[in-house]
Amino acid sequence: EIVMTQSPAALSVSPGERATVSCRASQSIGDTLAWYQQKPGQPPRLLIYGASTRATGVPARFSGSGSGTEFTLTISSLQSEDFAVYSCHQYHTWLRGSFGGGTKVEIK
Amino acid sequence: QVQLVESGGGVVQPGRSLRLSCAASGFTFSNYAMHWVRQSPGKGLEWLALISFDGNDQYYADSVKGRFTTSRDNSRNTLHLQIDTLRVEDTAVYYCAKDHCYHGVCSFFDYWGQGTRVTVSS
Repeated sequence: EIVMTQSPAALSVSPGERATVSCRASQSIGDTLAWYQQKPGQPPRLLIYGASTRATGVPARFSGSGSGTEFTLTISSLQSEDFAVYSCHQYHTWLRGSFGGGTKVEIK
Repeated sequence: QVQLVESGGGVVQPGRSLRLSCAASGFTFSNYAMHWVRQSPGKGLEWLALISFDGNDQYYADSVKGRFTTSRDNSRNTLHLQIDTLRVEDTAVYYCAKDHCYHGVCSFFDYWGQGTRVTVSS
């Protein structure tokens, strides 16, 4: 089983600042990584797939990078609506996809 | 716009069964594989099951194989998840989710329903 480890677990950021969330895979997954945003009481929303491709309608301030085992989600200038939990998801192994534990981005 | 609406959750005793449904609209349902994913405080997000766009193939996580059965009715744009022999650890919010790829399986999810809560307790 591929284990996805996110860091940090929580991040305090001021509006307008940059936020960076990391995700590490326990083995190489190429670029088969997605990022989701989840707000309280809502389902996850796809932000990034293929490690760096923004999903439809996702603002350009969200970007993803990395390959192999190390991945990063960057929010270039945090807006009020961006405070949420962000989770990575590897879909490299057929029927063995797994999620990271989530990073809560909070208002500083 | 794409909408996925789950139903069928509730409070149920261990050992009982439950059938969840997901009503889809806003896209051509019969062209996309569908998934079930659950979220619990203890285990986070967990992929459970996949059904192909035509319903001919179903796949399950090892943790639920033999107890969970997914099916779909493309004429009614509806997805189902039958859960048998419920356990306390099945307590979670259950989501249906649309696969990103047309007539294939990408294994990531571009739309999710709002979820239906299942609580297993005596």
